[in-house]
Amino acid sequence: QTVVTQEPSLTVSPGGTVTLTCASNTGAVTSGHHPNWFQQKPGQAPRSLIFSTKNKHSWTPARFSGSLLGDKAALIVSGVQPEDEADYYCLLYFDGAQVLGGGTKLTVL
Amino acid sequence: EVQLVQSGAEVKKPGDSLRISCEGSGYKFSDRWIGWVRQKPGKGLEWMGIIYPSDSDTRYTPSFQGQVTISVDKSVSMVYLQWSSLKASDTAMYYCVRQVASNLIDYWGQGTRVTVSS
Repeated sequence: QTVVTQEPSLTVSPGGTVTLTCASNTGAVTSGHHPNWFQQKPGQAPRSLIFSTKNKHSWTPARFSGSLLGDKAALIVSGVQPEDEADYYCLLYFDGAQVLGGGTKLTVL
Repeated sequence: EVQLVQSGAEVKKPGDSLRISCEGSGYKFSDRWIGWVRQKPGKGLEWMGIIYPSDSDTRYTPSFQGQVTISVDKSVSMVYLQWSSLKASDTAMYYCVRQVASNLIDYWGQGTRVTVSS
């Protein structure tokens, strides 16, 4: 069974930079897994932020970026704002099948 | 403007059947995959399955195969998620999502809350 793992929680200070990662139990995450990242605030539907590792949607704030970091996918938030406090999920594709990570709760404190 | 609009909240009893819907608008409906995602109370997102409206090609995550049915009616730009016999463990929020090609998820529906309780 394919498992995608994220940090359960992270804390960052306003204005700081934080990196969230997304790993696979099958091995290194590559661009071929087409990492997607989503943000979900309490009581709201998720919103897509990043697709295919590093590409932003038209509505994605510039402070969000995606990359590969070592053997993981990464979501980097630079100049964190209080409104960035949310749950973040990654999704990887494995031969066309979608697998979601368990999510990271980002606290801005 | 692309929109995915889902049907309203449901309260059902164990053993009931249910069908919820997701209507796509603002784009060529048949040309984009529509998937379903479950979120149990206080938990993370789980991918359930996906359908391609053009030819009804449907793929399920193994843990949801046989538990739900995903279908489409292109004439009304609607995708459905249905259960033949609900369980209390089906209590969750369900989201539909749009997938472009085979690797990009962009739009989400607002969610449909399903509560199953005796």
